[in-house]
Amino acid sequence: AQSVAQPEDQVNVAEGNPLTVKCTYSVSGNPYLFWYVQYPNRGLQFLLKYITGDNLVKGSYGFEAEFNKSQTSFHLKKPSALVSDSALYFCAPRNRDDKIIFGKGTRLHILP
Amino acid sequence: DVKVTQSSRYLVKRTGEKVFLECVQDMDHENMFWYRQDPGLGLRLIYFSYDVKMKEKGDIPEGYSVSREKKERFSLILESASTNQTSMYLCASSGTGFSEQFFGPGTRLTVL
Repeated sequence: AQSVAQPEDQVNVAEGNPLTVKCTYSVSGNPYLFWYVQYPNRGLQFLLKYITGDNLVKGSYGFEAEFNKSQTSFHLKKPSALVSDSALYFCAPRNRDDKIIFGKGTRLHILP
Repeated sequence: DVKVTQSSRYLVKRTGEKVFLECVQDMDHENMFWYRQDPGLGLRLIYFSYDVKMKEKGDIPEGYSVSREKKERFSLILESASTNQTSMYLCASSGTGFSEQFFGPGTRLTVL
C-alpha cells in the first residue's frame, strides 16, 4: 500500500530565508510525485511534479523539489521565502497502477 | 485558462436532506474526482471517474454516490446528509497519463 508523510504540521520561516517543506513516501514501483499549494480560502493549485529525469524539478512561484530515491523523499524548497508563500502545502505521490494520495498538509508561515 | 467550477461556495443543509454538489470542467478532461478536506486529515478521495458513466470508489465512499452523464460534469450526491458530512468538498479534473489535477474552489457544506 502506498503512503505519504509530511512530518511537520507547521513550518515557520523568516522572509528572505530559504524554506524546506518535507515529504517522504512509500509506493511500489517508480513513484510519480506532485506538490500542490492551497492559499487561504482558495482551491488547490498544482506547483510541480516529478515523473522521470532530472532529480531537481522546478515549478511555479520559484519553488523546486528534489527527488531522492534512496531516501524516498521529495522535499519542497525555495531559496528565498516571501510572505505571500504562506499557505498550506500538500505532497501527493502515486504509482503507475494506483490513485494519487495526498499528505495531511504542512502549513507554511512566512514571518515578515 | 483552465477552469473547474463548483455549483456553490457555501451550503447549509439539514440532517436527512438529499444534497447535490455539482462540478463542471471546461478542459475536456477524461478524469474527474471528488475529495473532502478536513483539518488534520488532508484530502481524502470519495469517488472518481475515468469516463462518462464510469465511476470508481475512492477511500471513503460510504454515504455518497456520484453521477457522470456528460464528460464535463461530475456530481456528488449525499443521499441522506448527516452531521459528520460537514466538510469542505473539492472537485478536480485531469487529463490522461500523469497529468496534474486542476481543482475547483471548493464547497463548504454544513449539515445541521
